[in-house]
Amino acid sequence: SAVISQKPSRDICQRGTSLTIQCQVDSQVTMMFWYRQQPGQSLTLIATANQGSEATYESGFVIDKFPISRPNLTFSTLTVSNMSPEDSSIYLCSVEDSGEDYGYTFGSGTRLTVV
Amino acid sequence: QQPVQSPQAVILREGEDAVINCSSSKALYSVHWYRQKHGEAPVFLMILLKGGEQKGHEKISASFNEKKQQSSLYLTASQLSYSGTYFCGTGDDKIIFGKGTRLHILP
Repeated sequence: SAVISQKPSRDICQRGTSLTIQCQVDSQVTMMFWYRQQPGQSLTLIATANQGSEATYESGFVIDKFPISRPNLTFSTLTVSNMSPEDSSIYLCSVEDSGEDYGYTFGSGTRLTVV
Repeated sequence: QQPVQSPQAVILREGEDAVINCSSSKALYSVHWYRQKHGEAPVFLMILLKGGEQKGHEKISASFNEKKQQSSLYLTASQLSYSGTYFCGTGDDKIIFGKGTRLHILP
């Protein structure tokens, strides 16, 4: 399965600032997914990032707040902009593995605290 | 649309069995199952495909009833290492996850 390097692993940020999260995959993948997970809650899909096109956002998430870049088939960034304490959460990137018995592989996550 | 999982939480003694259910109001073509331990990322367990066979992984197996739009995850003779939160996920080009089932195994 794919191996994903996600960073930073955690950060504490001031409200009103922005944080960019990076994910590097060890193989080329068509789609990368960004999820948010509040403590003790489920994973909520933020957006799907395709290389060469704009990301597709889920209901409740907008590009101005969560701009995504996908410059190539192995890398993506998610920026959390103009942060407020409500943005405190764990952010995870994910890719779909290829092969017969495929699932999704997740990055290790970024634990964001906004103060 | 988010799949519905039940139960929300289960407490077992080591060696006991458990069943976790996942249902959807939409037609299902595949169901994913993941386990997440505290402070870690979710880990893929298995995928059930429409028309496919029941899957198994160690003492963890799953079934998929396409007509009922349901899947069940079976944990047999549970071990302490099975503790965690189990998520089912459904969707074609993107996965939407259920709210999760917390499983706690007591020694």
